[in-house]
Amino acid sequence: DSGVTQTPKHLITATGQRVTLRCSPRSGDLSVYWYQQSLDQGLQFLIQYYNGEERAKGNILERFSAQQFPDLHSELNLSSLELGDSALYFCASSLQGLANEKLFFGSGTQLSVL
Amino acid sequence: DQQVKQNSPSLSVQEGRISILNCDYTNSMFDYFLWYKKYPAEGPTFLISISSIKDKNEDGRFTVFLNKSAKHLSLHIVPSQPGDSAVYFCAASAQGAQKLVFGQGTRLTINP
Repeated sequence: DSGVTQTPKHLITATGQRVTLRCSPRSGDLSVYWYQQSLDQGLQFLIQYYNGEERAKGNILERFSAQQFPDLHSELNLSSLELGDSALYFCASSLQGLANEKLFFGSGTQLSVL
Repeated sequence: DQQVKQNSPSLSVQEGRISILNCDYTNSMFDYFLWYKKYPAEGPTFLISISSIKDKNEDGRFTVFLNKSAKHLSLHIVPSQPGDSAVYFCAASAQGAQKLVFGQGTRLTINP
């Protein structure tokens, strides 16, 4: 158990809809990352937050947004969903969000867009 | 632009033998490299790392080798055990870049 909690584990929705994925980081960790894993793809970095502030942005679509709340949990919002958004979405956390820190991953949210 | 590449999607090894997983990178600014292991229905977990100032790091049955001139790293598992069957991701980061860049993963199967 990594200590990172992601909910829900599975999400099935239709094209055009909007969903919210939730992540609670490991106790004491200030930084949260979101990654997307599509079929046959590696983990694609989406966005990173540190103590409530956006720190780094990756290949995140404009239809996607995220935030980190004062209690350090984070939410990833995906809107106007397309079939291609079907993927496994991972949240990870680290203590200070530094480049050489180990990331601790949640077990992911499997999103299926039908 | 795939900066970290794992060219073998899968690898099958006999139990007790050596498993060698390979990873290539293109960004010369990468200075820290990690391997993560992922079981089905779980998130990736950290396995071993290496800084660019070293060319080898060992932890029990796991050894990572770094060849900076070839921009290549490899993970050796000796001896391989059935519990090692998983997907292995190579990842790299550059100072100040904040994010880890992952490869596509290699599915390792250890056969009894």
